[in-house]
Amino acid sequence: AQSVTQLGSHVSVSEGALVLLRCNYSSSVPPYLFWYVQYPNQGLQLLLKYTSAATLVKGINGFEAEFKKSETSFHLTKPSAHMSDAAEYFCAVTDTGGFKTIFGAGTRLFVKA
Amino acid sequence: NAGVTQTPKFRILKIGQSMTLQCTQDMNHNYMYWYRQDPGMGLKLIYYSVGAGITDKGEVPNGYNVSRSTTEDFPLRLELAAPSQTSVYFCASGGAGDTDTQYFGPGTRLTVL
Repeated sequence: AQSVTQLGSHVSVSEGALVLLRCNYSSSVPPYLFWYVQYPNQGLQLLLKYTSAATLVKGINGFEAEFKKSETSFHLTKPSAHMSDAAEYFCAVTDTGGFKTIFGAGTRLFVKA
Repeated sequence: NAGVTQTPKFRILKIGQSMTLQCTQDMNHNYMYWYRQDPGMGLKLIYYSVGAGITDKGEVPNGYNVSRSTTEDFPLRLELAAPSQTSVYFCASGGAGDTDTQYFGPGTRLTVL
């Protein structure tokens, strides 16, 4: 069965610092992987997705994620945090040919001035 | 395009009451989903639909019902509301199943007292 684990329910960084949000997945077949962002009182929006093309995926707002099959990881990074990046981030996985997406529990990112 | 719209935004129910959460999408997506979001738990799939007239249960369907009479609309019915159904409910739609991006509505915050 698929599963997603996001390490750290809360991450705090200073403005301008590196953002690293961790996601590990479990899947019996090559997965499709997603990162979504949720701003306060809004629905989720897609940041980026991995669909078996390039292992380094670039998304919106300067975020990127690298698919590492050997580590079953899909960590999200951004070189320099901005105050507007403060939000909750969700990693999600779907098996190819599968039908339902499994979401992680989410990581809330705080950005300090 | 409005995308995915949900009504109402907020609702307070008494135990035992019933209500319908409305969801409409204007992107001509075949796939639609209902999730609930509880703090620290990520999103849990309640029901999903692959097209008009076709629905199926997700991970947490008990206490809910859905119908899909048109491509655009996917209402969620709560019968005999219970405090355990206090949550934020999100509707989403997608074009090609779970391997495609899901587009989320703004959510409905429901409290059952």
